[in-house]
Amino acid sequence: DVKVTQSSRYLVKRTGEKVFLECVQDMDHENMFWYRQDPGLGLRLIYFSYDVKMKEKGDIPEGYSVSREKKERFSLILESASTNQTSMYLCASSLLQGSKTQYFGPGTRLLVL
Amino acid sequence: DQQVKQNSPSLSVQEGRISILNCDYTNSMFDYFLWYKKYPAEGPTFLISISSIKDKNEDGRFTVFLNKSAKHLSLHIVPSQPGDSAVYFCAASARTGRRALTFGSGTRLQVQP
Repeated sequence: DVKVTQSSRYLVKRTGEKVFLECVQDMDHENMFWYRQDPGLGLRLIYFSYDVKMKEKGDIPEGYSVSREKKERFSLILESASTNQTSMYLCASSLLQGSKTQYFGPGTRLLVL
Repeated sequence: DQQVKQNSPSLSVQEGRISILNCDYTNSMFDYFLWYKKYPAEGPTFLISISSIKDKNEDGRFTVFLNKSAKHLSLHIVPSQPGDSAVYFCAASARTGRRALTFGSGTRLQVQP
Protein backbone atom coordinates (compact mmCIF):
# COMPACT_ATOMS: atom_id res chain seq x y z
CA ASP A 1 0.00 0.00 0.00
CA VAL A 2 1.10 3.53 -0.73
CA LYS A 3 1.91 5.45 2.38
CA VAL A 4 1.96 9.23 2.50
CA THR A 5 2.80 10.73 5.86
CA GLN A 6 2.64 14.29 7.07
CA SER A 7 4.81 15.53 9.90
CA SER A 8 2.04 16.97 12.05
CA ARG A 9 -1.69 16.38 12.41
CA TYR A 10 -2.34 19.66 14.21
CA LEU A 11 -0.34 22.87 14.37
CA VAL A 12 -0.95 26.20 16.06
CA LYS A 13 1.20 29.13 14.95
CA ARG A 14 1.28 32.87 15.42
CA THR A 15 0.84 35.44 12.68
CA GLY A 16 4.19 36.20 11.03
CA GLU A 17 5.82 32.91 11.96
CA LYS A 18 7.56 30.79 9.33
CA VAL A 19 5.85 27.42 9.10
CA PHE A 20 7.16 24.19 7.62
CA LEU A 21 4.85 21.33 6.66
CA GLU A 22 6.60 18.10 5.71
CA CYS A 23 5.32 15.27 3.54
CA VAL A 24 6.97 11.92 2.84
CA GLN A 25 5.86 9.15 0.47
CA ASP A 26 7.29 5.66 0.32
CA MET A 27 6.29 4.51 -3.18
CA ASP A 28 8.93 6.20 -5.32
CA HIS A 29 6.31 8.44 -6.91
CA GLU A 30 7.56 11.20 -9.17
CA ASN A 31 4.68 13.63 -8.61
CA MET A 32 3.89 15.27 -5.30
CA PHE A 33 1.23 17.86 -4.51
CA TRP A 34 0.12 20.25 -1.81
CA TYR A 35 -3.55 21.18 -1.48
CA ARG A 36 -5.55 23.09 1.05
CA GLN A 37 -9.11 22.17 1.91
CA ASP A 38 -11.60 24.78 3.04
CA PRO A 39 -15.36 24.41 3.62
CA GLY A 40 -17.33 24.97 0.44
CA LEU A 41 -14.19 25.31 -1.66
CA GLY A 42 -13.04 21.72 -1.90
CA LEU A 43 -9.37 20.99 -2.47
CA ARG A 44 -7.33 23.74 -4.08
CA LEU A 45 -3.87 23.12 -5.47
CA ILE A 46 -1.08 25.21 -3.98
CA TYR A 47 2.05 23.75 -5.61
CA PHE A 48 3.18 20.53 -7.17
CA SER A 49 6.44 18.90 -8.13
CA TYR A 50 7.13 16.33 -10.84
CA ASP A 51 10.78 15.73 -10.03
CA VAL A 52 13.46 16.53 -7.51
CA LYS A 53 14.13 20.27 -7.39
CA MET A 54 11.30 20.88 -9.86
CA LYS A 55 8.13 22.73 -8.85
CA GLU A 56 5.13 24.35 -10.46
CA LYS A 57 2.60 26.79 -9.10
CA GLY A 58 -0.91 25.61 -8.61
CA ASP A 59 -4.04 27.73 -8.35
CA ILE A 60 -3.28 29.51 -5.07
CA PRO A 61 0.52 29.75 -4.59
CA GLU A 62 0.58 33.22 -3.02
CA GLY A 63 2.10 33.21 0.45
CA TYR A 64 3.59 29.73 0.01
CA SER A 65 6.78 28.18 -1.26
CA VAL A 66 7.90 24.56 -1.59
CA SER A 67 11.05 22.51 -1.51
CA ARG A 68 11.81 19.10 -2.99
CA GLU A 69 15.40 18.11 -2.30
CA LYS A 70 14.73 14.35 -2.27
CA LYS A 71 12.26 12.36 -4.31
CA GLU A 72 10.31 11.09 -1.33
CA ARG A 73 9.98 14.41 0.51
CA PHE A 74 8.00 17.53 -0.38
CA SER A 75 7.86 20.48 1.99
CA LEU A 76 5.39 23.34 2.07
CA ILE A 77 6.61 26.60 3.58
CA LEU A 78 4.50 29.48 4.79
CA GLU A 79 7.00 32.32 4.73
CA SER A 80 5.00 34.55 7.09
CA ALA A 81 1.87 32.89 8.35
CA SER A 82 -1.38 34.84 8.23
CA THR A 83 -4.80 34.09 9.68
CA ASN A 84 -6.25 33.43 6.22
CA GLN A 85 -3.87 30.49 5.93
CA THR A 86 -5.74 28.67 8.69
CA SER A 87 -6.83 25.53 6.86
CA MET A 88 -6.45 21.80 6.39
CA TYR A 89 -3.33 21.06 4.31
CA LEU A 90 -3.20 17.85 2.32
CA CYS A 91 -0.21 16.30 0.62
CA ALA A 92 -0.57 13.78 -2.21
CA SER A 93 1.63 11.77 -4.55
CA SER A 94 1.20 9.94 -7.86
CA LEU A 95 3.18 8.09 -10.50
CA LEU A 96 4.54 10.02 -13.47
CA GLN A 97 3.21 7.56 -16.00
CA GLY A 98 0.11 5.43 -15.97
CA SER A 99 -2.48 5.96 -13.28
CA LYS A 100 -3.55 9.51 -12.52
CA THR A 101 -4.72 8.43 -9.12
CA GLN A 102 -3.31 10.50 -6.30
CA TYR A 103 -2.69 9.12 -2.83
CA PHE A 104 -3.22 11.46 0.07
CA GLY A 105 -1.70 11.87 3.49
CA PRO A 106 -3.87 12.32 6.59
CA GLY A 107 -3.66 16.11 6.49
CA THR A 108 -2.34 18.82 8.78
CA ARG A 109 -4.85 21.11 10.40
CA LEU A 110 -3.13 24.48 10.82
CA LEU A 111 -4.48 27.25 13.01
CA VAL A 112 -2.83 30.67 12.68
CA LEU A 113 -3.62 33.01 15.55
CA ASP B 1 -14.18 30.04 -12.15
CA GLN B 2 -14.84 26.52 -10.90
CA GLN B 3 -14.17 23.98 -13.61
CA VAL B 4 -15.57 21.11 -11.55
CA LYS B 5 -18.80 21.72 -9.69
CA GLN B 6 -20.68 19.73 -7.12
CA ASN B 7 -23.85 21.71 -6.65
CA SER B 8 -25.24 19.72 -3.74
CA PRO B 9 -23.29 20.39 -0.56
CA SER B 10 -25.12 17.64 1.30
CA LEU B 11 -27.27 14.56 0.74
CA SER B 12 -29.13 12.37 3.18
CA VAL B 13 -30.41 8.86 2.32
CA GLN B 14 -31.75 5.86 4.19
CA GLU B 15 -29.62 2.78 4.66
CA GLY B 16 -30.22 0.28 1.85
CA ARG B 17 -31.38 2.91 -0.65
CA ILE B 18 -29.45 4.35 -3.56
CA SER B 19 -27.20 7.40 -3.14
CA ILE B 20 -26.60 9.50 -6.24
CA LEU B 21 -23.90 12.15 -6.14
CA ASN B 22 -23.56 14.51 -9.08
CA CYS B 23 -20.72 16.44 -10.62
CA ASP B 24 -20.55 18.84 -13.58
CA TYR B 25 -17.49 20.10 -15.41
CA THR B 26 -16.83 22.85 -17.90
CA ASN B 27 -13.40 22.06 -19.34
CA SER B 28 -13.72 19.97 -22.49
CA MET B 29 -10.07 18.94 -22.15
CA PHE B 30 -10.85 16.80 -19.10
CA ASP B 31 -10.55 13.15 -20.06
CA TYR B 32 -10.26 11.30 -16.77
CA PHE B 33 -12.48 11.57 -13.74
CA LEU B 34 -12.14 10.30 -10.21
CA TRP B 35 -14.18 10.14 -7.04
CA TYR B 36 -12.58 10.42 -3.64
CA LYS B 37 -14.10 9.78 -0.25
CA LYS B 38 -13.03 11.68 2.83
CA TYR B 39 -13.74 10.99 6.48
CA PRO B 40 -13.19 13.74 9.07
CA ALA B 41 -9.57 14.16 10.16
CA GLU B 42 -8.35 11.84 7.39
CA GLY B 43 -7.00 12.41 3.90
CA PRO B 44 -9.16 11.63 0.86
CA THR B 45 -9.04 8.05 -0.38
CA PHE B 46 -9.50 7.03 -3.98
CA LEU B 47 -12.83 5.37 -4.66
CA ILE B 48 -13.40 4.88 -8.38
CA SER B 49 -12.46 6.46 -11.69
CA ILE B 50 -13.57 6.59 -15.31
CA SER B 51 -11.87 7.44 -18.56
CA SER B 52 -13.66 9.53 -21.17
CA ILE B 53 -13.61 6.59 -23.58
CA LYS B 54 -16.17 4.89 -21.32
CA ASP B 55 -19.58 5.91 -20.08
CA LYS B 56 -19.78 3.59 -17.08
CA ASN B 57 -17.45 1.95 -14.61
CA GLU B 58 -18.53 -0.34 -11.83
CA ASP B 59 -16.78 -1.55 -8.69
CA GLY B 60 -18.93 -3.45 -6.25
CA ARG B 61 -21.56 -1.15 -4.79
CA PHE B 62 -20.10 1.87 -6.59
CA THR B 63 -20.83 2.86 -10.19
CA VAL B 64 -19.73 5.99 -11.97
CA PHE B 65 -21.59 7.23 -15.05
CA LEU B 66 -20.16 9.74 -17.50
CA ASN B 67 -22.24 11.80 -19.92
CA LYS B 68 -19.70 13.62 -22.07
CA SER B 69 -22.20 15.60 -24.11
CA ALA B 70 -23.70 17.03 -20.90
CA LYS B 71 -20.30 17.28 -19.18
CA HIS B 72 -21.82 15.47 -16.25
CA LEU B 73 -20.85 12.52 -14.13
CA SER B 74 -22.53 10.81 -11.25
CA LEU B 75 -21.61 8.32 -8.55
CA HIS B 76 -24.19 5.73 -7.55
CA ILE B 77 -23.89 3.80 -4.31
CA VAL B 78 -26.20 0.81 -4.02
CA PRO B 79 -27.09 -0.18 -1.39
CA SER B 80 -26.00 2.69 0.82
CA GLN B 81 -24.53 1.81 4.21
CA PRO B 82 -23.95 3.98 7.30
CA GLY B 83 -20.18 3.55 6.79
CA ASP B 84 -20.56 5.39 3.48
CA SER B 85 -21.26 8.60 5.39
CA ALA B 86 -18.42 10.92 4.35
CA VAL B 87 -17.60 13.81 2.07
CA TYR B 88 -17.28 12.81 -1.58
CA PHE B 89 -15.11 14.80 -3.96
CA CYS B 90 -15.28 14.64 -7.72
CA ALA B 91 -11.97 15.33 -9.52
CA ALA B 92 -10.88 15.67 -13.13
CA SER B 93 -7.67 15.49 -15.11
CA ALA B 94 -6.93 17.02 -18.51
CA ARG B 95 -5.27 15.12 -21.35
CA THR B 96 -2.76 17.93 -21.74
CA GLY B 97 -1.36 20.52 -19.45
CA ARG B 98 -0.66 20.11 -15.77
CA ARG B 99 -0.69 16.76 -14.08
CA ALA B 100 -2.62 17.88 -11.04
CA LEU B 101 -6.28 17.12 -10.46
CA THR B 102 -9.04 19.72 -10.33
CA PHE B 103 -11.46 19.03 -7.50
CA GLY B 104 -15.06 19.93 -6.86
CA SER B 105 -16.22 21.41 -3.58
CA GLY B 106 -17.51 18.11 -2.22
CA THR B 107 -20.85 16.62 -1.19
CA ARG B 108 -21.44 15.45 2.37
CA LEU B 109 -23.36 12.16 2.33
CA GLN B 110 -25.22 11.06 5.43
CA VAL B 111 -26.64 7.54 5.40
CA GLN B 112 -29.29 7.14 8.07
CA PRO B 113 -29.58 3.71 9.74
